[in-house]
Amino acid sequence: QVQLQESGPGLVKPSETLSLTCSISGGSISTYYWNWVRQPPGKPLEWIGYIYDSGYTDYNPAFKSRATLSVDASNNQFSLKLTSVTAADTATYFCAGIVGGAFETWGQGTMVTVSS
Amino acid sequence: VLTQPPSVSGAPGQRVTISCTGTSSNIGAGYAVHWYQHLPGTGPKLLVYGNTNRPSGVPDRFSGSKSATSASLAITGLQAEDEADYYCQSFDSSVNIYVFGTGTTVTV
Repeated sequence: QVQLQESGPGLVKPSETLSLTCSISGGSISTYYWNWVRQPPGKPLEWIGYIYDSGYTDYNPAFKSRATLSVDASNNQFSLKLTSVTAADTATYFCAGIVGGAFETWGQGTMVTVSS
Repeated sequence: VLTQPPSVSGAPGQRVTISCTGTSSNIGAGYAVHWYQHLPGTGPKLLVYGNTNRPSGVPDRFSGSKSATSASLAITGLQAEDEADYYCQSFDSSVNIYVFGTGTTVTV
């Protein structure tokens, strides 16, 4: 059974870059399209983008090129970088694997606060 | 983009339903609806995929349906452990993104 674990700083300063990594265990990196989804406090879930093991990516246009996903197949990890963060980027960030349009497996999430 | 009631409640053993209303560019365009259960401090759990299908291990008390531009999740035989937030999810072709519902808190 695939398990996902997010890691990264819990506090980021405004205008800086948020960087998170998702470690995959118990399965192949080729099993899913790998996604980042976030949930600001009190708000619904929001899809950020996905990456496949080939490096193919797709993004939510709402992030206007601020988001970059990358994959490290040798270490079974994928990552998110979100540039020029503001307080509006404060959220719990989840990594998730999608197949057939459904997010089948999720990490537990990591809370990121944007504040000086 | 997908609208859900903020909350529903029911007594143990009762049946509750959660609606998910979309538009002609998502549910109405034929894209599948999926449902998730979300408990605090954990990642969401897939409950129903492809409108009506349950992953292995999900009790048959949970069932999904879809019609026109909306979908529903029904929970029968409500149990205390069902208290959670529930989200629907689909794909929207107007902006080519995966979209989630506004979320519904179920209280038992």
